[in-house]
Amino acid sequence: GAVVSQHPSWVICKSGTSVKIECRSLDFQATTMFWYRQFPKQSLMLMATSNEGSKATYEQGVEKDKFLINHASLTLSTLTVTSAHPEDSSFYICSASPMDRGYGYTFGSGTRLTVV
Amino acid sequence: SQQGEEDPQALSIQEGENATMNCSYKTSINNLQWYRQNSGRGLVHLILIRSNEREKHSGRLRVTLDTSKKSSSLLITASRAADTASYFCATALSGNTPLVFGKGTRLSVIA
Repeated sequence: GAVVSQHPSWVICKSGTSVKIECRSLDFQATTMFWYRQFPKQSLMLMATSNEGSKATYEQGVEKDKFLINHASLTLSTLTVTSAHPEDSSFYICSASPMDRGYGYTFGSGTRLTVV
Repeated sequence: SQQGEEDPQALSIQEGENATMNCSYKTSINNLQWYRQNSGRGLVHLILIRSNEREKHSGRLRVTLDTSKKSSSLLITASRAADTASYFCATALSGNTPLVFGKGTRLSVIA
């Protein structure tokens, strides 16, 4: 149990286009999901906290207009990278915590974004 | 912002040896967790230790937590080549706050 599905696992897009990444909790409800970004050989940096039915909370330095987060249901959060640039190329990972079951945090398998 | 600092940043050992990784953090925590990440892949949860616990075991893993020193260690015994990965500690202030990750230790186990 406590599975988080992230899609797509990898994507290549052209500069200036937008890319949507989906994060689904498959067997639990998640009022809160978290989005992280990881550059090569670095650690995970929290980008934003996604709250179901309300606006996301962004970490300092993360552009909310560039990284649009929508958490419209208890099982789905999406991250849209708008007007992507090569410097947005990174590994994006979502996570959620089914706390009602006492589990720890569960992470999606990540999305490798390459902007060319 | 990052909470933890792992030590060492990289570790190379022979198969069968033990690997010890350390993590320090800055603020009060509810729990501390260790994760493994194979290159370019997602995270695998290894073990969670709560702030009122001092030591925890899971198979070949042993985790200690010293809240007075704000530090934790992960010991992998009898390492295998398959243990080659990056290991991260992560802390949470409370049950539903985001995890804050340390910089990680890259472990290489040579067969």
